[in-house]
Amino acid sequence: GESVGLHLPTLSVQEGDNSIINCAYSNSASDYFIWYKQESGKGPQFIIDIRSNMDKRQGQRVTVLLNKTVKHLSLQIAATQPGDSAVYFCAETYSGAGSYQLTFGKGTKLSVIP
Amino acid sequence: SAVISQKPSRDICQRGTSLTIQCQVDSQVTMMFWYRQQPGQSLTLIATANQGSEATYESGFVIDKFPISRPNLTFSTLTVSNMSPEDSSIYLCSARDLGELFFGEGSRLTVL
Repeated sequence: GESVGLHLPTLSVQEGDNSIINCAYSNSASDYFIWYKQESGKGPQFIIDIRSNMDKRQGQRVTVLLNKTVKHLSLQIAATQPGDSAVYFCAETYSGAGSYQLTFGKGTKLSVIP
Repeated sequence: SAVISQKPSRDICQRGTSLTIQCQVDSQVTMMFWYRQQPGQSLTLIATANQGSEATYESGFVIDKFPISRPNLTFSTLTVSNMSPEDSSIYLCSARDLGELFFGEGSRLTVL
């Protein structure tokens, strides 16, 4: 079946630097994408989402970019802080199905070096 | 945003036994889901818990192994039946509320 995957399984960044986490998806029908943050021992926490009619969306210190041509999604974290250390998952779905069942990528572990 | 509580948060179980995980949402939600997250892995959807009817299972998951109940719009249970060590995972309840999908903290099961 079609799946969502990540380019990098681990990422280490210096505190204060910007982080970029990448994700590739293969289901061209997907029209809704979400980034989740999962800290150790906790459930995934919603960070930001984007619909396929957009190519960029900004939140507080985070930006998601969507490139439908190459089926690529990225999460940018500005001024990375130690509290950003976690595993980040991208997820995708086809909202037209009405079910909002998500397919998750493999995850990238972000480690912030103080 | 919805707050999702799961019980138990963790348990150690013996092979061959069954365990029921409870999921309580603090508001009525349209959709509830159960996911499995094996150690160091991503999340895999087990099933959609349908209120008042049988759950909809994903490929590779069957009702006999993972019976699910959803008696109302705020509560669901997942049972992991006849457990084996391969069932050692985190089981996560999620709910859709106002377009966003929220997750509980998960129930970490270890099967010996």
